[in-house]
Amino acid sequence: SQQGEEDPQALSIQEGENATMNCSYKTSINNLQWYRQNSGRGLVHLILIRSNEREKHSGRLRVTLDTSKKSSSLLITASRAADTASYFCATYPNAGKSTFGDGTTLTVKP
Amino acid sequence: GAVVSQHPSRVICKSGTSVKIECRSLDFQATTMFWYRQFPKQSLMLMATSNEGSKATYEQGVEKDKFLINHASLTLSTLTVTSAHPEDSSFYICSAERGPRYEQYFGPGTRLTVT
Repeated sequence: SQQGEEDPQALSIQEGENATMNCSYKTSINNLQWYRQNSGRGLVHLILIRSNEREKHSGRLRVTLDTSKKSSSLLITASRAADTASYFCATYPNAGKSTFGDGTTLTVKP
Repeated sequence: GAVVSQHPSRVICKSGTSVKIECRSLDFQATTMFWYRQFPKQSLMLMATSNEGSKATYEQGVEKDKFLINHASLTLSTLTVTSAHPEDSSFYICSAERGPRYEQYFGPGTRLTVT
């Protein structure tokens, strides 16, 4: 299977709840990045976390990285209807090209 | 963040014609640009990696004679879909990066419909 597999594939929550998405990968990475895509649009970069980092925050977003488990998680706190989108993780190896996962589709109900 | 534009945003063409899609990095010089194809509700499929002044590197299964990529400058890459067929209908997205393993900045995408 591919690098950067997201879990779950789809997530539906109420506004105000937290949303957690996970990403697993197979080979060593230089960094891992999370992107958001609104329907029919390009991707927007959210956070980059390097292999020597364990956690990063950006506003309501919190990303963790566990290189021993080859996994990362994206937490969106106090979700809003505007957070409805697809979220992708992308792994960047030390050499070679990046790989995008299949994405998690998040629906936040008002 | 940096801005990448893509033009056109939407194009409808007849089968057998060619379509050119432009990707520009507006406020930075991109060492590398990428072209992706995305089918509905699926992830991005990398088609090719484009470096300024050199030939593009195509992914396995991508026909380089059908999807012509030209990276004329550090701010412009073009993808030409030649002799388009209905099965080429898709969402094409480009991205640009400032340097290797930096974040990628994506264009808004081009919806191609071949009738």
